[in-house]
Amino acid sequence: AQSVSQHNHHVILSEAASLELGCNYSYGGTVNLFWYVQYPGQHLQLLLKYFSGDPLVKGIKGFEAEFIKSKFSFNLRKPSVQWSDTAEYFCAVNPISSGSARQLTFGSGTQLTVLP
Amino acid sequence: GAGVSQSPSNKVTEKGKDVELRCDPISGHTALYWYRQSLGQGLEFLIYFQGNSAPDKSGLPSDRFSAERPKGSFSTLEIQRTEQGDSAMYLCASSLGTSGRIQETQYFGPGTRLLVL
Repeated sequence: AQSVSQHNHHVILSEAASLELGCNYSYGGTVNLFWYVQYPGQHLQLLLKYFSGDPLVKGIKGFEAEFIKSKFSFNLRKPSVQWSDTAEYFCAVNPISSGSARQLTFGSGTQLTVLP
Repeated sequence: GAGVSQSPSNKVTEKGKDVELRCDPISGHTALYWYRQSLGQGLEFLIYFQGNSAPDKSGLPSDRFSAERPKGSFSTLEIQRTEQGDSAMYLCASSLGTSGRIQETQYFGPGTRLLVL
């Protein structure tokens, strides 16, 4: 079965610091990749997604992620974080060539705290 | 337009009781998914509906869990004889579900927080 690893469980940064959250998955076939964000008291929202094409994808609020197929990675980045980026971030994978083509497999999440 | 809605937002029940959670997907979305998020954990897939059928029930943790989507619109998730380990946030998502389409985005509802005492 496929799995998704987010190695950073809690990241604490000061405003204006650069952010990189790691995401690795274990599936050898074609995948759709997602980052979702959950702000305090709110529900999961899509941050960005990769289906095909340019492996560097840009999302909302200045976030971007790079798909590196050879490393099975889809790391999330932001050059300069803001206090309002404090949230929990989830990486998710949808292996589109397997029998379970619809379900998303999520990582355990990374809690980002940005200090003002 | 309206997003995915779920009710109730919170549910407290006693061990051994049955509970029913409801999800209303985005209008026009034929695919519907249930996930569970336990404290400190990622989201765990439970079941997927395409229309009113469930091609993938692989994530249901036990036979105490069942789900229906009788008219292909709203869905209900029922947990019978609840246990304390069932306490979690239950999330519903929907997507367009167009036949053969594999590049889809799932949109999530606010969840139902279930606490079993």
